[in-house]
Amino acid sequence: RKEVEQDPGPFNVPEGATVAFNCTYSNSASQSFFWYRQDCRKEPKLLMSVYSSGNEDGRFTAQLNRASQYISLLIRDSKLSDSATYLCVVNGVDSSYKLIFGSGTRLLVRP
Amino acid sequence: NAGVTQTPKFQVLKTGQSMTLQCAQDMNHNSMYWYRQDPGMGLRLIYYSASEGTTDKGEVPNGYNVSRLNKREFSLRLESAAPSQTSVYFCASSGDRKWGETQYFGPGTRLLVL
Repeated sequence: RKEVEQDPGPFNVPEGATVAFNCTYSNSASQSFFWYRQDCRKEPKLLMSVYSSGNEDGRFTAQLNRASQYISLLIRDSKLSDSATYLCVVNGVDSSYKLIFGSGTRLLVRP
Repeated sequence: NAGVTQTPKFQVLKTGQSMTLQCAQDMNHNSMYWYRQDPGMGLRLIYYSASEGTTDKGEVPNGYNVSRLNKREFSLRLESAAPSQTSVYFCASSGDRKWGETQYFGPGTRLLVL
């Protein structure tokens, strides 16, 4: 079983739609969780950290469910510029500075 | 600030050739990393350096060596390239060994080994 699993997609949605991605992680001792965004042929960039209480940044909302070991990302009012691959990232518990990356969920927002 | 820079951007090698990928950061970060990214797979850690003067193996270190030249620079060397090393290589850096410390990535090096 992969340490971090994501649905690869693609999720193909119209502009203005709400879309949600889930991600599951295998190690219950993981402490830090993130969503990174990666545009085609570019480097990953931090989108947002995920806190236990859930957090929101504009149109983006991240949730953590420790009991079920999954993380979610909700994007409201999708824009064409949201088209990208979204990477779920969890810290490696053997060394806190190591990050474990999911293989990503691809989002396509159409006009 | 340039952030994290990598050279070269693209490289084509023949099997058995060697090369060094260069990475530098200007954010005064302690920790630096080398990842590879292959289609359908997440980023996989090759080597990392938690601080100047230290390096450790990551998930997929075989066929690679690294040098933390100073606090700014962290290079990755392929001594005898193989087709299985065809990939996109990303260097990253972060401020410290803390949970929740954001990693900043360079633009990547696309390597093709024939």
